[in-house]
Amino acid sequence: GAGVSQSPSNKVTEKGKDVELRCDPISGHTALYWYRQRLGQGLEFLIYFQGNSAPDKSGLPSDRFSAERTGESVSTLTIQRTQQEDSAVYLCASSRTRDSYEQYFGPGTRLTVT
Amino acid sequence: KNEVEQSPQNLTAQEGEFITINCSYSVGISALHWLQQHPGGGIVSLFMLSSGKKKHGRLIATINIQEKHSSLHITASHPRDSAVYICAAPSGSARQLTFGSGTQLTVLP
Repeated sequence: GAGVSQSPSNKVTEKGKDVELRCDPISGHTALYWYRQRLGQGLEFLIYFQGNSAPDKSGLPSDRFSAERTGESVSTLTIQRTQQEDSAVYLCASSRTRDSYEQYFGPGTRLTVT
Repeated sequence: KNEVEQSPQNLTAQEGEFITINCSYSVGISALHWLQQHPGGGIVSLFMLSSGKKKHGRLIATINIQEKHSSLHITASHPRDSAVYICAAPSGSARQLTFGSGTQLTVLP
C-alpha cells in the first residue's frame, strides 16, 4: 500500500519568504508527527497530531512555525519569514495510533533558505 | 545530557565483518526503534522492539529493558549496508521519538 508521502521533495527559498510543506500520512493512521534534521545534527521533534485532539506543539522552535492537519489526513507545516537556520530536512511520520509506537516515515522535504 | 545515546559515532568495516552498534537510553520506555537513513535523507524503520531479540535477514536487534540498552548487529556486512543507523525511543505524552545522534557506518568492499 501507499506509504507516507511528502511534497515538495526539495524547496529552495529566499530568506524572509514563507514556505508550506505537505505531508500525506498512511490512510487510517490517526497519529502524525513532524520532525526536522538540520545539517550535521540529529533529528528533533516539532509537532504531533492525534485525531481531532489539540496538537502537541511543544517542539516548535519559534512562532514562525505552525502546522495544521485536516481531520486524519493531510498536514501542512508552514514556516513564515524563513531564516537560514531553518534549512533542514523536514520529515513527516505517521502511526496507526499514538500508542502503537511504530512510526512510518516519509521521504522528507529538503528546505534550503538562501 | 541526551536521553538516547549511541556508540560509536562512526564505524568503518570491511565487507563481511560482524558489526555492532549500541544504544543506551535514560528515559523510561516500553519500546525502542532502530532506523536506517541513507545519504538522500530518507528514513526506513528497521525494528521496533520492546523485549528480547528480533531478526530480519542479516540484521539482529536486541534490547534489555532493565539495563536500558539495545544493540543492532549486522552479520556478513556489505557495502550496501553503508548508512546512518539511528536508535530512537518514544517519550512524552505524544510518544514522539527522541533520537540518538546516529552511527555513520561505512562498509568497504
